[in-house]
Amino acid sequence: AQSVTQPDIHITVSEGASLELRCNYSYGATPYLFWYVQSPGQGLQLLLKYFSGDTLVQGIKGFEAEFKRSQSSFNLRKPSVHWSDAAEYFCAVGISNSGYALNFGKGTSLLVTP
Amino acid sequence: DADVTQTPRNRITKTGKRIMLECSQTKGHDRMYWYRQDPGLGLRLIYYSFDVKDINKGEISDGYSVSRQAQAKFSLSLESAIPNQTALYFCATSDLVAGGGETQYFGPGTRLLVL
Repeated sequence: AQSVTQPDIHITVSEGASLELRCNYSYGATPYLFWYVQSPGQGLQLLLKYFSGDTLVQGIKGFEAEFKRSQSSFNLRKPSVHWSDAAEYFCAVGISNSGYALNFGKGTSLLVTP
Repeated sequence: DADVTQTPRNRITKTGKRIMLECSQTKGHDRMYWYRQDPGLGLRLIYYSFDVKDINKGEISDGYSVSRQAQAKFSLSLESAIPNQTALYFCATSDLVAGGGETQYFGPGTRLLVL
């Protein structure tokens, strides 16, 4: 079955530390891949996306993600986390057989400590 | 002004009541989507529409209906609300780009509580 997995429900990092949020997918073909961020009480904001080409994509707010076909992964990274990065992060996959409606992972909640 | 707006932003209703959530967009996109978000479950697709005449069920359409009144408007209805429809509802829009793929843009969400 097609699925998107974010293995970590919660992650806590210290401000200034590096961050990696994991995302794995299970699809027959190379999907379109996205990371969204949801701040408390807010809607979803697109951080970055991968359609094709360079497997390392840069996004907003200093985030980047790397598509690894062999591992079916699309992990999100940031070299130095800021307190304002505390939020919920969602990995999503575009599904071609439903008009590219998004199949979301269950999210990873990021807590940033001083 | 926001590109994707949802009304109301918050709503409390009672079991058995009919309720409509509205979504409007100024992005000129053909494709619109309704999702619901539940804690620990991420977002799940309810309905989607490629254009005014093309409406499709998503993963969890039971208990919901939609109406695409115009390219810019896509409404979600709960004909007879039940408590397990308490959730955060998001509308999204997108447009297919050259070369394939598309990006979805989300509204701010409607928080619905069914008592």
